[in-house]
Amino acid sequence: EPEVTQTPSHQVTQMGQEVILRCVPISNHLYFYWYRQILGQKVEFLVSFYNNEISEKSEIFDDQFSVERPDGSNFTLKIRSTKLEDSAMYFCASSGLNDQPQHFGDGTRLSIL
Amino acid sequence: SQQGEEDPQALSIQEGENATMNCSYKTSINNLQWYRQNSGRGLVHLILIRSNEREKHSGRLRVTLDTSKKSSSLLITASRAADTASYFCAPARGAGKSTFGDGTTLTVKP
Repeated sequence: EPEVTQTPSHQVTQMGQEVILRCVPISNHLYFYWYRQILGQKVEFLVSFYNNEISEKSEIFDDQFSVERPDGSNFTLKIRSTKLEDSAMYFCASSGLNDQPQHFGDGTRLSIL
Repeated sequence: SQQGEEDPQALSIQEGENATMNCSYKTSINNLQWYRQNSGRGLVHLILIRSNEREKHSGRLRVTLDTSKKSSSLLITASRAADTASYFCAPARGAGKSTFGDGTTLTVKP
């Protein structure tokens, strides 16, 4: 069964550095999402992306965050200047047509030092 | 808010028993999805039930939806130790974000 893949599985970065998290959604999917989960907390929505633009974003997704679909297969989340509180698991998800389930990757664990 | 609230917060049962988890939500929806999350892993989609459906089965899973009460339940029959995980419901109005609650932590003892 096709799956969403995320790389790297674990990223360690110094505070203030930029980080790019990568995702390869399921190939025929049209909707793409990023979520994060701080240790011990619930999964939180960050942003959704459709038709090459952001369709919805949460208040967490401020100016230091950006998303891109650079080549038709990858979907990236960039954090420009990381903070300690950005440490979390970041999950990518994709879905097909409207009203279809979202399929999640296994996540990238981001640790900010 | 479309967030679902799962109940109970924690459930501990013996292998072979059935486990029932409930979800309540506040707004109108098009569908409701149930997910499982094993510790340290991503969310695995279990089942999607649409607002015009009342019950849906998938293997040992049975999901019900009562839109008049804005509630759903997930039943896992003949539970196994491998079912130990957190379970989340995600009510939705269509394609768009899923909003997750705190989940139900299920422990199945061998």
